[in-house]
Amino acid sequence: QKEVEQDPGPLSVPEGAIVSLNCTYSNSAFQYFMWYRQYSRKGPELLMYTYSSGNKEDGRFTAQVDKSSKYISLFIRDSQPSDSATYLCAMTWVNTNAGKSTFGDGTTLTVKP
Amino acid sequence: GAGVSQSPSNKVTEKGKDVELRCDPISGHTALYWYRQSLGQGLEFLIYFQGNSAPDKSGLPSDRFSAERTGGSVSTLTIQRTQQEDSAVYLCASSAQGGGQETQYFGPGTRLLVL
Repeated sequence: QKEVEQDPGPLSVPEGAIVSLNCTYSNSAFQYFMWYRQYSRKGPELLMYTYSSGNKEDGRFTAQVDKSSKYISLFIRDSQPSDSATYLCAMTWVNTNAGKSTFGDGTTLTVKP
Repeated sequence: GAGVSQSPSNKVTEKGKDVELRCDPISGHTALYWYRQSLGQGLEFLIYFQGNSAPDKSGLPSDRFSAERTGGSVSTLTIQRTQQEDSAVYLCASSAQGGGQETQYFGPGTRLLVL
């Protein structure tokens, strides 16, 4: 079983829809949770990060972490065609020299105009 | 300033040949990571450098894979005797000091196809 499981998708939604992207994890040592966005033939770019349980909002994006359930979500409000990309959840430990992040397999989102 | 760059952007090779992939991290970043992304998959960690040393090589899939970093900057990932299952996108990332909470900045990747 993978340490991080991500809803596989793909997702296709109309412009303006609310999108929910989800991951579960098994390692309770994870402390830091991230969402990356990856456009086709590009490297991932960090979209949002959270450190503790709760919600964090940035514009149209909200990241939610529930450590008790080992479940994280990314919500996109008023989705736009430019949001069409693959979204990867990732998590790691907060530590010096912590090194690697553990990634989900990604969910590909298409927002249709 | 410039971001993370990787070369070549695409590489096609024959099974059994050796390949070298290069990563130029953001200037001043001490931490450097290599990941592999197979089609439709997430990122698989390969190796992590702190300066020129590699405290975590746990993700290298076999002894055909090796990596080095010189001058605390450029890194080279070498795959010897390539196999078809090595076909993937190889991504490099760097961060300021290597703390888990730091932002990792990714390069565009090298797309490797082994025929």
